[in-house]
Amino acid sequence: QVQLQESGPGLVKPSETLSLTCAVSKYSLSNGYYWGWIRQPPGKGLEWIGNVYHTGSTSYSPSLNGRVTISLDTSKNHFSLKLSSVTAADTAVYYCARGEMVRGTIPGKRFNWFDPWGQGMLVTVSP
Amino acid sequence: DIQMTQSPSSLSASVGDSVTIACRASQSISRYLNWYQQKPGKAPKLLIYAASSLQSAVPPRFIGSGSGTDFTLNISSLQPEDFATYYCQQSYSTPETFGQGTKVDIK
Repeated sequence: QVQLQESGPGLVKPSETLSLTCAVSKYSLSNGYYWGWIRQPPGKGLEWIGNVYHTGSTSYSPSLNGRVTISLDTSKNHFSLKLSSVTAADTAVYYCARGEMVRGTIPGKRFNWFDPWGQGMLVTVSP
Repeated sequence: DIQMTQSPSSLSASVGDSVTIACRASQSISRYLNWYQQKPGKAPKLLIYAASSLQSAVPPRFIGSGSGTDFTLNISSLQPEDFATYYCQQSYSTPETFGQGTKVDIK
């Protein structure tokens, strides 16, 4: 069964770049699916950050104002998140997840969902 | 962005009860709606996709229904392991958005 594991610094200074990696095991990134990042501020709900597809194409949340980059490294079988110019508002548990798609009921629009998820990693933005 | 609103925000129930959680989208999303369960300190777990399709290995007491703007998650005969927070998520358009969550705790 596919497994995902986030890693990276747990503390980042304001204005710097948050960098996280999601290692994927028991599945090759180049075989398909898509891969996403979702975050959850302490005590709050879930916020979608963005996705990267097995082709390398990406989709990002506009609310992050162009600060996000998600990329695939098929040689290492992992994908990465970079979030620049961080502030305290970016403090959250960051989850990586696999996205799956199947044909939907509307032509050209597939059903998609996240499963499974990594265990999550708390990243704190503080001086 | 499509706004997702869940109700109630929290509820108390007993083992064996049936509970219903509602999720409303700010515009029609057809059946592009997923449900997740999250326990404290854990990652969300997929329960239902495409509004009513049960994810593999999820107990059949979890039932999703709805289309358009109104959706429900029903948990029949609540079990001790079902006390958790539940989130809906629309996948009709980006940005993919989640409801604010419904916490189900023990009465």
